[in-house]
Amino acid sequence: GQSLEQPSEVTAVEGAIVQINCTYQTSGFYGLSWYQQHDGGAPTFLSYNALDGLEETGRFSSFLSRSDSYGYLLLQELQMKDSASYFCAVCLNAGNMLTFGGGTRLMVKP
Amino acid sequence: DTGVSQDPRHKITKRGQNVTFRCDPISEHNRLYWYRQTLGQGPEFLTYFQNEAQLEKSRLLSDRFSAERPKGSFSTLEIQRTEQGDSAMYLCASSQDGYTEAFFGQGTRLTVV
Repeated sequence: GQSLEQPSEVTAVEGAIVQINCTYQTSGFYGLSWYQQHDGGAPTFLSYNALDGLEETGRFSSFLSRSDSYGYLLLQELQMKDSASYFCAVCLNAGNMLTFGGGTRLMVKP
Repeated sequence: DTGVSQDPRHKITKRGQNVTFRCDPISEHNRLYWYRQTLGQGPEFLTYFQNEAQLEKSRLLSDRFSAERPKGSFSTLEIQRTEQGDSAMYLCASSQDGYTEAFFGQGTRLTVV
């Protein structure tokens, strides 16, 4: 079977840095994606890592270690609008089918 | 192009009825995916199309579920003889190919009463 583990909830204050970890056990692996979803909204793509290392996109960075089956999403300079659920998702094959984790609910406080 | 659109946004139906949802992907995208999401969980993969061909189906997709993409553009997902356990958000996504990001629609929220 496939499993992705991430913390269920994280709380941080405005301006802080938060790291959301994701560990996975899957039968295939092409890459790790991160999606953001606000309540009632659609999942929105944040980042994709196919190779080991850090990818930076503005305030958000994502890291992957294939040997450790581990990745994380780093959010810097947190803003209130970053309060949302964050999902890691493994791309299992060339078809880009995604297996999602259970999501991490991030609450940013003033 | 305004992105992936889904219709209807909300559907309430009685148990045992059939329902059909529609998804219009981003126009140049040849991959189209259906996912199901329940409250507090991540989306679960149901099926996907490359153009009009349905290439993969999850074991979650029982024989009461059928999906089509007849001309390689829009797609429909039909659920026959709905059950209360079918209540969920049904999400559609599209991507240009198998290696680029998937864009999600706003979803259709199904409530079976």
